[in-house]
Amino acid sequence: AQSVTQPDIHITVSEGASLELRCNYSYGATPYLFWYVQSPGQGLQLLLKYFSGDTLVQGIKGFEAEFKRSQSSFNLRKPSVHWSDAAEYFCAVGPFNDYKLSFGAGTTVTVRA
Amino acid sequence: EAQVTQNPRYLITVTGKKLTVTCSQNMNHEYMSWYRQDPGLGLRQIYYSMNVEVTDKGDVPEGYKVSRKEKRNFPLILESPSPNQTSLYFCASRQDRNQQFFGPGTRLTVL
Repeated sequence: AQSVTQPDIHITVSEGASLELRCNYSYGATPYLFWYVQSPGQGLQLLLKYFSGDTLVQGIKGFEAEFKRSQSSFNLRKPSVHWSDAAEYFCAVGPFNDYKLSFGAGTTVTVRA
Repeated sequence: EAQVTQNPRYLITVTGKKLTVTCSQNMNHEYMSWYRQDPGLGLRQIYYSMNVEVTDKGDVPEGYKVSRKEKRNFPLILESPSPNQTSLYFCASRQDRNQQFFGPGTRLTVL
């Protein structure tokens, strides 16, 4: 069975500081991995995805994520956060056809001035 | 504008009263899906559809029905809603293996 664990429920970071959100997955084959962001009252927006190739993936809004097969991780990073990055972030994993995605419980990011 | 729309956005109902949440996409996507979002649980897939007349269960299908009679629409039906179906519901669509586009969400309260 596939599953995703996001160990951090809530992270507070200062504006301009770096951010790293952790994601660990369990999947029996080559995973198809995603990070989504949900701003308050909004739907989900795709930040980036990985299914093959370079293990460092660049996404929108200055985010990047690194796939580490040996650690079953797909951590999301941003070098310098902006107040607009305050949101909830979800990691997801799925099979090659990604018809059935499994999401983590989410990490809420608060940005302080 | 490419989008996924859901109606209603907010709904308060009572136990046992049948309801339908509509979902429509204007991108001619083959794949559509329904999720529910609950605090601490993230999003869980209810049902998905790979094309017209092709649907399959996700992780939490109990108490829900879906239909896919035409490509653009994928309604979610609760025949006899119960309080444990109080949740935030999202519809999504995509074409092939490209990103999923999510609707704005429907907040359902079952009393």
